[in-house]
This record gives sequence, C-alpha cells and structure tokens, in this order.
Amino acid sequence: ETGVTQTPRHLVMGMTNKKSLKCEQHLGHNAMYWYKQSAKKPLELMFVYNFKEQTENNSVPSRFSPECPNSSHLFLHLHTLQPEDSALYLCASSQMNEQFFGPGTRLTVL
Amino acid sequence: TQLLEQSPQFLSIQEGENLTVYCNSSSVFSSLQWYRQEPGEGPVLLVTVVTGGEVKKLKRLTFQFGDARKDSSLHITAAQPGDTGLYLCAEFYNTDKLIFGTGTRLQVFP
Repeated sequence: ETGVTQTPRHLVMGMTNKKSLKCEQHLGHNAMYWYKQSAKKPLELMFVYNFKEQTENNSVPSRFSPECPNSSHLFLHLHTLQPEDSALYLCASSQMNEQFFGPGTRLTVL
Repeated sequence: TQLLEQSPQFLSIQEGENLTVYCNSSSVFSSLQWYRQEPGEGPVLLVTVVTGGEVKKLKRLTFQFGDARKDSSLHITAAQPGDTGLYLCAEFYNTDKLIFGTGTRLQVFP
C-alpha cells in the first residue's frame, strides 16, 4: 500500500465511450502525475500537476483530458479512444524526489 | 530528451543465482533512481544515486553509479522468487519529472 489509490483497476471501453479514471493520494503531496505504460514502450509521462496547476503536457492527444480539482485527487477523462491507447495508466504523487505510484488502471479499448 | 537503455531486456534465472542489470544513458545523469514493479502494482523506489562512483546496498541488492554518471548497474546476489519483477531506472529532470528506462523483466524460478 503506497498511499495512492486508483479506480477502476480494470476498464474495457469501446471507441465511442466516455469514461474517467480516478486517482487519490493520502500522502499530503503537492505534485501528481499520469503515466502510460504499454508493452512496447518505456513508461511515458503524460501530465504533471503541481498545486493543482498543470505544469506538463507531454504532447498527449486531446482525447485524454486531465482534471485536478485539489491536491489529493486527479482524474483522467477519456473519450473517442483508439485501440492503441490500450495500456496500464499509472498515477503517482511526489513531494521531493521520490514518486509514489498507484497500482494502475488496466485499460482495454475495443 | 535523453534515452535510458536497459539491458538485458529479459532475464530468467534459477533461485540462488547472481545477476546484473544495466542502465545506460546518452548523456550525463543528474541523479538516477532504480524502481521495481511487481505484477499488478506500480513501480516502487529502491534507491537514489547522485555521486559518480557511488555504491549503495539494499540487502542482497547492490547499486553502482558510473564514475562519469552516464551508466548504472544493479547486482542481485542469490536471487529469490520474490525478486521477480520489472526493474526500471529513471532520471529526474526539471526537479519534478522522471524519464524511465526501457526496463529489465526478471523472472526467478524456485
């Protein structure tokens, strides 16, 4: 248990669906992150939020839309995804130079 | 953006064997972290190395940072099935973002 929780753990969606991934951290950290982990690529940073402000968007397609309503919660809204978006989506939080990861959401796009 | 190459990509060994995995960069690391990711979980930080030539030990794991800070190695002595997982090196940049390596997937058989 790392103090970072993610829901759902598994998600199957069609290309026309809209869904959201949720991340919550109980560590009092100020920074939160979304990463994508697919089978054939290194773990990729998608978005960074510091004190609820987005400080990094790593050229992520607009079909992924993050939301950070407060320092403890982070969402990733998904719409009109493609099959190649199937991957493990990991959330992390950090305070200094250590990142704490959630268990991830395994997303399958049909 | 620098590229972190890890080798080998896959490693299957018997319990009790020793092994070494490597992380190499195209440029100098500011600092380097090693993470382990077990199936169904997010990565967990093992160690941070900062100084060229630095060696750190964590039980049966020995981490070494190259003198020129462009490479690092992780040596495991007498591997156990509990060591099974994906080993990732990562570098911090811009104080709060991580670049991850390509990963080494280790399987230790009893």
